Amino acid sequence: GQQVMQIPQYQHVQEGEDFTTYCNSSTTLSNIQWYKQRPGGHPVFLIQLVKSGEVKKQKRLTFQFGEAKKNSSLHITATQTTDVGTYFCAGGSGNTGKLIFGQGTTLQVKP
Amino acid sequence: DAGVIQSPRHEVTEMGQEVTLRCKPISGHNSLFWYRQTMMRGLELLIYFNNNVPIDDSGMPEDRFSAKMPNASFSTLKIQPSEPRDSAVYFCASSLERGATDTQYFGPGTRLTVL
Repeated sequence: GQQVMQIPQYQHVQEGEDFTTYCNSSTTLSNIQWYKQRPGGHPVFLIQLVKSGEVKKQKRLTFQFGEAKKNSSLHITATQTTDVGTYFCAGGSGNTGKLIFGQGTTLQVKP
Repeated sequence: DAGVIQSPRHEVTEMGQEVTLRCKPISGHNSLFWYRQTMMRGLELLIYFNNNVPIDDSGMPEDRFSAKMPNASFSTLKIQPSEPRDSAVYFCASSLERGATDTQYFGPGTRLTVL
């Protein structure tokens, strides 16, 4: 079945360093969504990308959708302690109408 | 807006007991999803409903799990009998429309511990 793989699983950075998580799908996606889950919390929607090659920015966060619509990345510039949490990508399948979540990347930021 | 409401927030039970988790989606949302989250398996979609009708239950682990949505404002996930391996955080989410392109709004989750 369709799978969405996300790497790395964990990332520890010093505050101020950059961070990137990558998401890859075995099949072409209709869209990609990104969610953030704070420790002890629930996933919260960040953004959705739909177009091939699309790039969106939210302050220090940059999201990209690959040209083939099979991969995506989230880049955080100059991390802060408030960025701590697990970041999930979720790929949309046009065939099944479902979102398939990646395993998530847990980010720890040392002050 | 109250968001997605789940109850209870925490449940501790003994193996073999029946467990019922409850969810109230955001008013006006047409799709409802049940997820299970564990360290080992991550976030897994168990079942989702559209307009109160189950659309895909392929993620339901086995016959011990069942889900219902009797009306647009209420859904239950039942485990009978429960087993220790069912220990996890169970999230309910809702979205305005059916389909993979719609934003999902998650509830706070129910942390289930089966002893």
